Amino acid sequence: KQEVTQIPAALSVPEGENLVLNCSFTDSAIYNLQWFRQDPGKGLTSLLLIQSSQREQTSGRLNASLDKSSGRSTLYIAASQPGDSATYLCAVTPRGSSNTGKLIFGQGTTLQVKP
Amino acid sequence: DTAVSQTPKYLVTQMGNDKSIKCEQNLGHDTMYWYKQDSKKFLKIMFSYNNKELIINETVPNRFSPKSPDKAHLNLHINSLELGDSAVYFCASSDRRTSGTDTQYFGPGTRLTVL
Repeated sequence: KQEVTQIPAALSVPEGENLVLNCSFTDSAIYNLQWFRQDPGKGLTSLLLIQSSQREQTSGRLNASLDKSSGRSTLYIAASQPGDSATYLCAVTPRGSSNTGKLIFGQGTTLQVKP
Repeated sequence: DTAVSQTPKYLVTQMGNDKSIKCEQNLGHDTMYWYKQDSKKFLKIMFSYNNKELIINETVPNRFSPKSPDKAHLNLHINSLELGDSAVYFCASSDRRTSGTDTQYFGPGTRLTVL
């Protein structure tokens, strides 16, 4: 059974710091891995999607890496800003679920960037 | 110009009542989903419909019945509401035909409180 874990559960950093959020999954047979952002009281916004054949994806100050064999992904945020404060969720689509789009989520890391 | 919309945003009701949550997407996507986010912020898939056909049905009580009148709508009807049904329910959609990326777009959520 696929399980997704995110560490730490919460993180507080001063503005301008570079930071790394971690995600691990128990079964390496995945179709893809996605990182989402959730603002309080809002829905989820997709940040980056990495296919199982890829090693990383970049978008602006965000870089996500995937090491399928070790069951790990990291989300790197460069030069953090107060506007980056949100909960970041990692989710995988198990290989057998590629035709359904089923996502299995971690419990998220709540990030606070202090001015 | 809302991509995935849900109504209502908040729903407060008594135990035993029957209620519905509506979801609409104007992205032309062929697949829609319902997720439940519990009080610990854990997000779990409930149902998925592809072209009005049920393709994911997780271990959800049969008091929950999704209905997809067309590809742009996926409504969730809940019978005999229980205290444990209190949560935030998110609708999402994706295009599994052509995008090849399976990025899911989420609605703003419906906060259901059962008293």
